[in-house]
Amino acid sequence: SQKIEQNSEALNIQEGKTATLTCNYTNYSPAYLQWYRQDPGRGPVFLLLIRENEKEKRKERLKVTFDTTLKQSLFHITASQPADSATYLCALLNNAGNMLTFGGGTRLMVKP
Amino acid sequence: DGGITQSPKYLFRKEGQNVTLSCEQNLNHDAMYWYRQDPGQGLRLIYYSQIVNDFQKGDIAEGYSVSREKKESFPLTVTSAQKNPTAFYLCASSIRGTVNTGELFFGEGSRLTVL
Repeated sequence: SQKIEQNSEALNIQEGKTATLTCNYTNYSPAYLQWYRQDPGRGPVFLLLIRENEKEKRKERLKVTFDTTLKQSLFHITASQPADSATYLCALLNNAGNMLTFGGGTRLMVKP
Repeated sequence: DGGITQSPKYLFRKEGQNVTLSCEQNLNHDAMYWYRQDPGQGLRLIYYSQIVNDFQKGDIAEGYSVSREKKESFPLTVTSAQKNPTAFYLCASSIRGTVNTGELFFGEGSRLTVL
C-alpha cells in the first residue's frame, strides 16, 4: 500500500541550529513533492515544491532535497528561530496524478 | 484581499443531524478540495472538483456530499451517515488541478464537534 511517513515525534532544537525533517514514501512515483507549514488551529501554508528531476531547492533559510532512489525528502531550516515552531507537512502527487496526499506532519519546537 | 473563506469556524451538532460547511474563494481558481484532519494525522481528501458542475470522490467520501454550482463556492455537507464526523475540516483551492503542480491555498478550517 502507499504510505507517506513523517516522524510523529516532535523535534526540539535550540535557536540558531539547523532543523532537519524527513519525509519517506513507499509505492509512489511522484512527479513532485511539496512542503507546507501548519500552525495550531490554522490551515496549512505552502512553502516549497520540488520536482522529481530536481535534487535540491532553496528558498531563504529553507532547503529541500528529493532523492527518488531512497524515496525520501529532507526539509532543512537553517539558523532556526522560535517563530519557525510549527507542524511541517509533506505532500505527494499520487500515481494517478489527480490527488495530493499528505503525510502526518512533524511538529518542530525551536527553543530560545 | 484574495483568499479562501470557510464558515463557520466552530460548529456543534447532535448525532443524526446533517451539517453544511461553507467554502468560498475569490482567487478565480478552477480546482477546489475538501480535506479532513484528525489529531496527529495527515490530511485526508474527501472530495475535489476541477471545474464547475463536476466533482470526484477522494479517499474518504462516504458520509459526505458536495456541490459545485459556482466557480467560487464548494460547500461540504456532513451527513448523518458519517460515522465519526468530529474533525477539523479544511477547504483548499488551486489554480488548476493537482496534475498541473498546483500549490494548494487553504482556508482557516472549520472544527466540527458532534455531541
